[in-house]
Amino acid sequence: DQQVKQNSPSLSVQEGRISILNCDYTNSMFDYFLWYKKYPAEGPTFLISISSIKDKNEDGRFTVFLNKSAKHLSLHIVPSQPGDSAVYFCAASAHGNTPLVFGKGTRLSVIA
Amino acid sequence: DTAVSQTPKYLVTQMGNDKSIKCEQNLGHDTMYWYKQDSKKFLKIMFSYNNKELIINETVPNRFSPKSPDKAHLNLHINSLELGDSAVYFCASSQTGAGANVLTFGAGSRLTVL
Repeated sequence: DQQVKQNSPSLSVQEGRISILNCDYTNSMFDYFLWYKKYPAEGPTFLISISSIKDKNEDGRFTVFLNKSAKHLSLHIVPSQPGDSAVYFCAASAHGNTPLVFGKGTRLSVIA
Repeated sequence: DTAVSQTPKYLVTQMGNDKSIKCEQNLGHDTMYWYKQDSKKFLKIMFSYNNKELIINETVPNRFSPKSPDKAHLNLHINSLELGDSAVYFCASSQTGAGANVLTFGAGSRLTVL
């Protein structure tokens, strides 16, 4: 019963191009969504978030898009850099005070 | 000046043993968590404490016993270790209120049960 799904286990992108990471969710009670980035042997670090009252949030090279009707969100990284190579986790919570539910992650490789 | 620190980073032990993982945060957060990342890579919540009080206890065997002596520490003790307990355990913390969903994670403790 995966409530947060990241169906692409891996993605390779050339440096300078756009990286698009996708996430789907099933629980309609989710109202807050986050992306975390994880390097090997480190813990996940917060990257960007979006509330369900918005459909887009931008922070520098990172933009998260939310499509509530499709229960889908995506993270765009442009331009992609080799240092962006990491595992990206999508996470969601309901009403702001329930524990984060994570997807399985997508491993992004940015090739120079 | 690590924000969330866990010890040990690696732990290899035999089935049936008892082991503990310690976690400390210096962010002044009032809520701490234990997450487990198993072989399938899912990060799943195990426990959550707010100001030393247990507020979330997911379906976790009672061999796992968290203890929070103060709001800066949340330790995890595991009795009678089983092969299926092998995983990476992440401690995290957050602050109630705006940004409560933004967790700060430790680097993880990789437990291997032989």
